[in-house]
Amino acid sequence: AQSVTQLGSHVSVSEGALVLLRCNYSSSVPPYLFWYVQYPNQGLQLLLKYTTGATLVKGINGFEAEFKKSETSFHLTKPSAHMSDAAEYFCAVLTDSWGKLQFGAGTQVVVTP
Amino acid sequence: DVKVTQSSRYLVKRTGEKVFLECVQDMDHENMFWYRQDPGLGLRLIYFSYDVKMKEKGDIPEGYSVSREKKERFSLILESASTNQTSMYLCASSSDRVKSSGNTIYFGEGSWLTVV
Repeated sequence: AQSVTQLGSHVSVSEGALVLLRCNYSSSVPPYLFWYVQYPNQGLQLLLKYTTGATLVKGINGFEAEFKKSETSFHLTKPSAHMSDAAEYFCAVLTDSWGKLQFGAGTQVVVTP
Repeated sequence: DVKVTQSSRYLVKRTGEKVFLECVQDMDHENMFWYRQDPGLGLRLIYFSYDVKMKEKGDIPEGYSVSREKKERFSLILESASTNQTSMYLCASSSDRVKSSGNTIYFGEGSWLTVV
């Protein structure tokens, strides 16, 4: 069975500082991994995804994530936080070929001036 | 622009009521999903459907049922709502073979259900 663990349910960063959100996965097959963002009172928006190929994946809004098979990790980073990055972030792994996702518990990001 | 629409954003229902949550997608997607989102638990899969008239249980199906009479519509039904079903419900859809085609999974805006 596949699973996802997000370290840290809440992260506080200063505006302009590095954002680092940690995600570790467990999968018996090559994983397809996703990061989604949820702004208050909204649904989920895809930030980026890793399927195959290049292990450094660039997404929207300046985010990127690196797939590290040896560490079973898919951490999300952004070099410089903006106030608009305040949201909840979810890491997920695809569990079948048609779209079933297993989600982590989520990380709430607070950005302070 | 792709769209997954959940018609009811905020609902308040009484214990024991029958509740319908509707989801419509306009992308001709084969696959549709219902998730429940709770603080500290992330999103958990309730039911999913890979075709019209087809449904499969997810990880937490107890207390829920679904209906898919048309390809574009996937309804979540709470036969007798209980207070522990107060939650945010998210619908999602995807085209066939997400893995082989790299297609994206799209989510609706969510339906906040409060059962009193």
